[in-house]
Amino acid sequence: KQEVTQIPAALSVPEGENLVLNCSFTDSAIYNLQWFRQDPGKGLTSLLLIQSSQREQTSGRLNASLDKSSGRSTLYIAASQPGDSATYLCGATGGGNKLTFGTGTQLKVEL
Amino acid sequence: KAGVTQTPRYLIKTRGQQVTLSCSPISGHRSVSWYQQTPGQGLQFLFEYFSETQRNKGNFPGRFSGRQFSNSRSEMNVSTLELGDSALYLCASSLSNGELFFGEGSRLTVL
Repeated sequence: KQEVTQIPAALSVPEGENLVLNCSFTDSAIYNLQWFRQDPGKGLTSLLLIQSSQREQTSGRLNASLDKSSGRSTLYIAASQPGDSATYLCGATGGGNKLTFGTGTQLKVEL
Repeated sequence: KAGVTQTPRYLIKTRGQQVTLSCSPISGHRSVSWYQQTPGQGLQFLFEYFSETQRNKGNFPGRFSGRQFSNSRSEMNVSTLELGDSALYLCASSLSNGELFFGEGSRLTVL
């Protein structure tokens, strides 16, 4: 059974700082790993999808990496902004669209 | 291009009643999956439908059911509501690469 853990649970940083969010999974036989952000009371917004054959994906100030052998993925956010404040979730799937989610990292970027 | 649309956005029911939630996927997406989000349990997978067939099912009681129509729209139904069913119910649609796109959710409150 896949289990996903996200550390830290909460993070507060000053604007402009680069930061790394961590996601660990127990079953390395994953098909996809996807990062999302969720604003309060809203749905999930897809940030990056890493397929099992890929090592990383980049979109703007975001970079996500995947290391299946160690069971880890990281989301790197460069030059953080107050608008980046949200809860960040990672989800892993072993096939189909059954994602197992971590509990998220609540990020606050302060002016 | 329209995103995933969920209706209703908010609803209040009493214990013992039943509820039906609707999800219209992104045009061209044939897979629809449903998730329950609560503060205590986080995001949990309910079920996935592809071409009107249930392809995967999570660990929820039989009171939770769903279906998908020929136009890929999906509905989920919860019968005999319990207080613990209060949650944000999220629908996601995807293409064959497995990237999930979520709607804004239906927030159910059971009194």
